[in-house]
Amino acid sequence: DTGVSQNPRHKITKRGQNVTFRCDPISEHNRLYWYRQTLGQGPEFLTYFQNEAQLEKSRLLSDRFSAERPKGSFSTLEIQRTEQGDSAMYLCASSPTRQGTTGELFFGEGSRLTVL
Amino acid sequence: GESVGLHLPTLSVQEGDNSIINCAYSNSASDYFIWYKQESGKGPQFIIDIRSNMDKRQGQRVTVLLNKTVKHLSLQIAATQPGDSAVYFCAENTRSPRDTGRRALTFGSGTRLQVQP
Repeated sequence: DTGVSQNPRHKITKRGQNVTFRCDPISEHNRLYWYRQTLGQGPEFLTYFQNEAQLEKSRLLSDRFSAERPKGSFSTLEIQRTEQGDSAMYLCASSPTRQGTTGELFFGEGSRLTVL
Repeated sequence: GESVGLHLPTLSVQEGDNSIINCAYSNSASDYFIWYKQESGKGPQFIIDIRSNMDKRQGQRVTVLLNKTVKHLSLQIAATQPGDSAVYFCAENTRSPRDTGRRALTFGSGTRLQVQP
């Protein structure tokens, strides 16, 4: 399968613990996005990478959140000192950069976080 | 702020009927729109897109209509099947104001399509 891969698919943690999610984008895609989705809502943009550079961060990304893409391939999203309000599905998406590219993003299956 | 919204949260149709899912947008700078389908426990899946210089685009069993005058978007699904049951999101796509190259994909809250056998 050459789609976007995310793991773990599910994570249950206690409030105050740190969690890390990993995303492996489609190999030839140099753009990578993290979105958060809560129940009944559409995905909300968190942050964006072009290659290894983190070019944008949403206001939703508090200082407890950090994302990296060290080699311009896979990315990690870490949440420190988790809070119950962090419970959500964390979606990773990737897209290519080439002339004529539309805005389509290719999403992974998501990592569902439950904070108890 | 400007946002993408949907008229109906849930749409129930009979198998074989046509489905129409509506979406309103308010960002006049949006130049590209996408419909995504999301099944339970899965990530959003691309269905069809349309550029702002078009008013209609057809795919396999799906048609997207864009009315820029009233800032309205619709997704039509012909001969709806049980496998079409999912949440459908419209998303508008605008360039990031910071000119980072990011295409800002803003999603609405979704419409749940339920197909009755």
